[in-house]
Amino acid sequence: DAKTTQPPSMDCAEGRAANLPCNHSTISGNEYVYWYRQIHSQGPQYIIHGLKNNETNEMASLIITEDRKSSTLILPHATLRDTAVYYCIVRNRAGSYQLTFGKGTKLSVIP
Amino acid sequence: ETGVTQTPRHLVMGMTNKKSLKCEQHLGHNAMYWYKQSAKKPLELMFVYSLEERVENNSVPSRFSPECPNSSHLFLHLHTLQPEDSALYLCASSPVYGGTNEKLFFGSGTQLSVL
Repeated sequence: DAKTTQPPSMDCAEGRAANLPCNHSTISGNEYVYWYRQIHSQGPQYIIHGLKNNETNEMASLIITEDRKSSTLILPHATLRDTAVYYCIVRNRAGSYQLTFGKGTKLSVIP
Repeated sequence: ETGVTQTPRHLVMGMTNKKSLKCEQHLGHNAMYWYKQSAKKPLELMFVYSLEERVENNSVPSRFSPECPNSSHLFLHLHTLQPEDSALYLCASSPVYGGTNEKLFFGSGTQLSVL
């Protein structure tokens, strides 16, 4: 699996958009980008995933650069309940089913 | 509510005890997983079951013994654990193993303390 790099922590004002970056410069052509988050004392929660095109669902938007070497998760209107650790994961569909979690980004939404 | 239920939520055990963690999923999924999350460490995949068959075992010590009697239930049997085994143990499920629909659904975990 390709390695991902995320900032260890970020702050965001409540009601503003939270933009969480992820670098995955060694990504290969068939690797998807996944985002999960983990609120304190809970299990990780799936947010979104994509391959090449930008994706949007009820939780967030995923913007993937044209060269696919980086991506940004966007929470359009952050709330206090969005405070969590956000994990960017790149894995190969054809490989072993290992979802390798890194250290993620600790997002703190501030009132 | 993710549809994956883990019990107990908290467990304290001595090094000579035998205990079991239970996971149940109500999603009709065919694959189930055990992950370990130690303090300040990333999640580590321990075991994977697909249609009740173990398909991955990531060099986990034998003091951890998984059991999958059917596709809805997963157990982790614990015996003679060490203090360093204290961690959050997370169960997850997915519709299929290695398929195109690859979302994992996690339970809330069991916080284990080994004294």
